[in-house]
Amino acid sequence: QTAVTQEPSFSVSPGGTVTLTCGLRSGSVSTSYYPSWYQQTPGQAPRTLIYSTNTRSSGVPDRFSGSILGNKVALTITGAQADDESDYYCVLYMGSGISAFGGGTKLTVL
Amino acid sequence: EVQLVQSGAEVKKPGESLKISCKGSGYSFTSYWIGWVRQMPGKGLEWMGSIYPGDSDTRYSPSFQGQVTISADKSISTAYLQWSSLKASDTAMYYCARRGAWDHFDYWGQGTLVTVSS
Repeated sequence: QTAVTQEPSFSVSPGGTVTLTCGLRSGSVSTSYYPSWYQQTPGQAPRTLIYSTNTRSSGVPDRFSGSILGNKVALTITGAQADDESDYYCVLYMGSGISAFGGGTKLTVL
Repeated sequence: EVQLVQSGAEVKKPGESLKISCKGSGYSFTSYWIGWVRQMPGKGLEWMGSIYPGDSDTRYSPSFQGQVTISADKSISTAYLQWSSLKASDTAMYYCARRGAWDHFDYWGQGTLVTVSS
């Protein structure tokens, strides 16, 4: 079982706003974990969306944003579009060269 | 342009050995960690381990320690993931990815599909 937790699934209406979260089974996520977010559509390699908590990767639309939300890190999609329907993964850097993926969130836009 | 190009799909039998590769270009290969990520059919992404090609410092996820070997040949800017004895449960897509300056995976290979079946 992964120590990094994500909602297994979420749905959002087109044009709506959704916030996906990423936490730790024990403890709080902070910026020192250098949280990052990735989008993956079926049959494709992951695409980097957000790094260092809230920095958008090159070419990522500004409807994607990252933040700390309580004891978790969050990815917010504002004005969801049909092609945002994907799997979303967070990654935390645990130190000493070790990374940990969350289990992923399957986002449905309907 | 930074690129990571992985070797092609493989079909192997249980018990066979395998080494897949990830060739970096467009950047200083020895200055960035390369990670390997597994994705089993219909499942999520799992970090397997990473290597720093500059000095071959290697870190493994506890889940993969002893199951695979990660190596690199900096003379040809290539990282490797190898198995000495494949199992059916090793059937998966394997991605390599560069760990960027902010400890995130900033560039990804296209993936190598490994199928292990008798």
